[in-house]
Amino acid sequence: QKEVEQDPGPLSVPEGAIVSLNCTYSNSAFQYFMWYRQYSRKGPELLMYTYSSGNKEDGRFTAQVDKSSKYISLFIRDSQPSDSATYLCAMFRGTALIFGKGTTLSVSS
Amino acid sequence: DTAVSQTPKYLVTQMGNDKSIKCEQNLGHDTMYWYKQDSKKFLKIMFSYNNKELIINETVPNRFSPKSPDKAHLNLHINSLELGDSAVYFCASSLGTQPQHFGDGTRLSIL
Repeated sequence: QKEVEQDPGPLSVPEGAIVSLNCTYSNSAFQYFMWYRQYSRKGPELLMYTYSSGNKEDGRFTAQVDKSSKYISLFIRDSQPSDSATYLCAMFRGTALIFGKGTTLSVSS
Repeated sequence: DTAVSQTPKYLVTQMGNDKSIKCEQNLGHDTMYWYKQDSKKFLKIMFSYNNKELIINETVPNRFSPKSPDKAHLNLHINSLELGDSAVYFCASSLGTQPQHFGDGTRLSIL
């Protein structure tokens, strides 16, 4: 079993839709959880960073962590064509970031 | 004023050659990393340096040798390049275990 599982998609939604992206993990030692966004031919950029279970909101983005289920989510409200990218979940193992495979999202106008 | 910059952006070379990729960060971070992203977009840690000291060395062939001349630089030298080395290599930096900031990658193609 991989340490971090993420459905690669692709996921296609119309503009304005609510998007839900998810990851599961197997290592209960993971403590810090991140979501990165990667546009084509660019490096990953940090979107959200959380430590504890619960929700964290930043504009149209909400990150949710459920440590008891080893499940994290990223919600995007009012999705825009500019949100079209690959979304990667990541979590720390020691000092190394362990990434999911990424979910490719396409938002059509 | 790019935060994490890598050179070159593209590298096309023959199998068996030796090549280097350079990375510099101007964020004042103390930890730098090399990641490999394969054709399926899977991003995997290769090395990590903290204050010029190697702290992570995942199962990477010893043809790959990182070098950190100072805290702001981390270079990657690859000997005897193989077809399977074709990938995008990303440099990243962080302050301790704070979130990592990534460069835009070096696209390596082996002919």
